[in-house]
Amino acid sequence: AQSVTQLDSQVPVFEEAPVELRCNYSSSVSVYLFWYVQYPNQGLQLLLKYLSGSTLVESINGFEAEFNKSQTSFHLRKPSVHISDTAEYFCAVSPPPGSGNTGKLIFGQGTTLQVKP
Amino acid sequence: DTEVTQTPKHLVMGMTNKKSLKCEQHMGHRAMYWYKQKAKKPPELMFVYSYEKLSINESVPSRFSPECPNSSLLNLHLHALQPEDSALYLCASSPLPGGTSTDTQYFGPGTRLTVL
Repeated sequence: AQSVTQLDSQVPVFEEAPVELRCNYSSSVSVYLFWYVQYPNQGLQLLLKYLSGSTLVESINGFEAEFNKSQTSFHLRKPSVHISDTAEYFCAVSPPPGSGNTGKLIFGQGTTLQVKP
Repeated sequence: DTEVTQTPKHLVMGMTNKKSLKCEQHMGHRAMYWYKQKAKKPPELMFVYSYEKLSINESVPSRFSPECPNSSLLNLHLHALQPEDSALYLCASSPLPGGTSTDTQYFGPGTRLTVL
């Protein structure tokens, strides 16, 4: 079985400062990894994903995440945050094909990013 | 069209009412999902449809009844709900169904349901 741990429930940060949201997963097999963002009173939006290939993945709005297989981590980073980045961020894993649990995203508990002026 | 739409945005209903939530996508995705999300919590999977057939039911109470009339449309029929069912209900779709491959899920904006 897979599980996801987001180590920080809340991350307060000042505008233009760098930020890292931590995500660790547990799985005995390869998984696909995702970061979703949820702005207040909205649905989830896919921020970025790692399926295979380069371990560093980037989003169009300046976020990046690095897949680290040895550390079983997929931390999300941004070098300079904006007020508009204030949101809930969910890390998720998808079980591998053929596991019998396909179709299920396994979410972490979420991290609230609070960007202060 | 690259989005999942959901109607209504907000719904208030009594415990004896019958209502339906609607989800639509025109991306040609063949898997569709219903999730329930409580405040400050991650989404919880309720149902998965693959090729218009129910493939996963996460032991959801029968007062929630999903329906997939065609590959673009997903409904969730609600009857005799309880106040604890108040939540954000999210619909998602993905290009390929679960089974032999895994793919990315795209979420709609959700329906905020309040049960009085």
